[in-house]
Parts: sequence; structure tokens; C-alpha cells
Amino acid sequence: SAVISQKPSRDICQRGTSLTIQCQVDSQVTMMFWYRQQPGQSLTLIATANQGSEATYESGFVIDKFPISRPNLTFSTLTVSNMSPEDSSIYLCSAQEDSYGYTFGSGTRLTVV
Amino acid sequence: QKEVEQNSGPLSVPEGAIASLNCTYSDRGSQSFFWYRQYSGKSPELIMSIYSNGDKEDGRFTAQLNKASQYVSLLIRDSQPSDSATYLCAVLERGSTLGRLYFGRGTQLTVWP
Repeated sequence: SAVISQKPSRDICQRGTSLTIQCQVDSQVTMMFWYRQQPGQSLTLIATANQGSEATYESGFVIDKFPISRPNLTFSTLTVSNMSPEDSSIYLCSAQEDSYGYTFGSGTRLTVV
Repeated sequence: QKEVEQNSGPLSVPEGAIASLNCTYSDRGSQSFFWYRQYSGKSPELIMSIYSNGDKEDGRFTAQLNKASQYVSLLIRDSQPSDSATYLCAVLERGSTLGRLYFGRGTQLTVWP
């Protein structure tokens, strides 16, 4: 199955700054997804990233706050912009490699102070 | 986001017992369903997928699907302490094999020796 390398694994950031999270997949995948998981909660889908097109955002998430890039079939980035303490969460990228499920990166634990 | 509901936990069972995890979903047209296991501080890992009504067995795990009732379950036989984790039910967006995956809140399972 595909392996996704996600970095950074954790970061502590000042409010008002931005953080870019990177995900590298070891094989080509059509769709990549970005999720947020707040402490003790389930995964909430932020957006879907296709190569060569704008990301599709879920209700409650906007491009200005969470810009996404998908320059090729193995890589994607998510930026958390103008951060506030409410953005403290675990951010996960995911890719569907076939019809049998989705693989996740190891996650980025973000703390905004 | 599509609604995916899981039975509230936490669930605690003795070693060797059967653990039963339940999930309901709101989109009647959904066709693909997944169970993920998430250890504390780790990213989710796929343990079962099911697409057709009935049972699907894989080792100690059995997934059950009833589309008429919009119900998915996971049974873990001969539960082991290493099965202690949060189990997430996920439903694939209707009408797509390359679509968005929506998660329930998860059920925390503890297997005590």
C-alpha cells in the first residue's frame, strides 16, 4: 500500500503566523484529502485536492484560511494561515490509492500560542 | 459533511470476549464503508472495508453491512489488549469510487486482561 510522509510532525506557532504542512506519497494518486482532528474528536474533512485544479473545500473551510497546493500526483501542501489558538489540532493528509481504502499520513500536531 | 453516527463509548470488554461496534449513516445511496483503527497519538489505519450486504470476515474481524437499515458493524472476536484503540467508521461519498470519506466520532475500545 502507499506510504505517505507528512511533515512537520508537530509545531508550536505564534498566533497570526502561517504554517505549511507537506505530504509526499510514494506512488501516484489521483485524489488527496486534508483532514483536521481536534482532541478527542473524529476526523473532519477540510478539502479535496486534485492535481492541476483548485481544491474543493467543505462547508466551514475557505481557501483564504487553508490554501492547498497539488502540483503533481505525489505531493500536496496545506497552509494554515493567520493562525489562532482555535486552529490547534492534528492535521492529516490522506490519499486513495485504489478502491480498497485510504491511507493516511502520520499527522501534524499543531499548537498555536 | 455526511452524517455518520457511532455508538457512544467507551466500550470495555475482557480479553477473549467479542467486542461489537456499531455505525449508522444518513446517505442511503452510500455504497462503500470502512473501519479504521486509531491508536492514541497515531494516524488511522484501515482494518476492514465492506461494499455488499452481509458479513465479511478477516481473521478475528467481521464487518456486517445492512444497507436497508443504513447500518454497519464491526465485531472483534477473541479481543486482545492490543485491540485497545479508537475505532472509526467511515463512509464513502455516494456515487464515486474516488470520492470523499466521511468519519464517525469513533468508539474507544478498551480490552482488559
